[in-house]
Amino acid sequence: SAVISQKPSRDICQRGTSLTIQCQVDSQVTMMFWYRQQPGQSLTLIATANQGSEATYESGFVIDKFPISRPNLTFSTLTVSNMSPEDSSIYLCSGDGSPAFFGQGTRLTVV
Amino acid sequence: QKEVEQNSGPLSVPEGAIASLNCTYSDRVSQSFFWYRQYSGKSPELIMSIYSNGDKEDGRFTAQLNKASQYVSLLIRDSQPSDSATYLCAVDNAGNMLTFGGGTRLMVKP
Repeated sequence: SAVISQKPSRDICQRGTSLTIQCQVDSQVTMMFWYRQQPGQSLTLIATANQGSEATYESGFVIDKFPISRPNLTFSTLTVSNMSPEDSSIYLCSGDGSPAFFGQGTRLTVV
Repeated sequence: QKEVEQNSGPLSVPEGAIASLNCTYSDRVSQSFFWYRQYSGKSPELIMSIYSNGDKEDGRFTAQLNKASQYVSLLIRDSQPSDSATYLCAVDNAGNMLTFGGGTRLMVKP
């Protein structure tokens, strides 16, 4: 199966700042997905990213807070904007395929 | 709203025993079902996928699917302490977009 390289693996950020997370896939995928996993919780889908179109956001997530780029079929970024401590989570990207495969995750702590 | 339900646990079993993890889902048209294992601080790792009714075995793992009852389970035989992790049930409702259950924490005691 395909492999996703995700970075950074972890970061500690000041509130009010922004962090951009990158995911690089070693093969072309039509869709990429971004998930959030809050402490002790399961994965919640943030948005679906397709190349050449705006990402589709799930209920409770908005583009201003989580802007996503998908410049080509192997790469995507998620930005967590104007961060607050409530944004402290693990963020994961995945590529379409059955089964879905995940990047290594980004552990974000906002202080 | 599509839902996937799991008992959060922790489920505690002795080493060598069978661990049984259960999951129910709400969307009748779901076609693909997955079990992921997640160690603390790590990303989910796929351990089983199942697409048709019945049992699917892979080593010590057996996935069971009953679409009529909207139920999928994972059995781990000869449980080892290294199996201690959170197990996530995931359902593919459309186009590889997964809905995850809350996860069941498994503890295998030596």
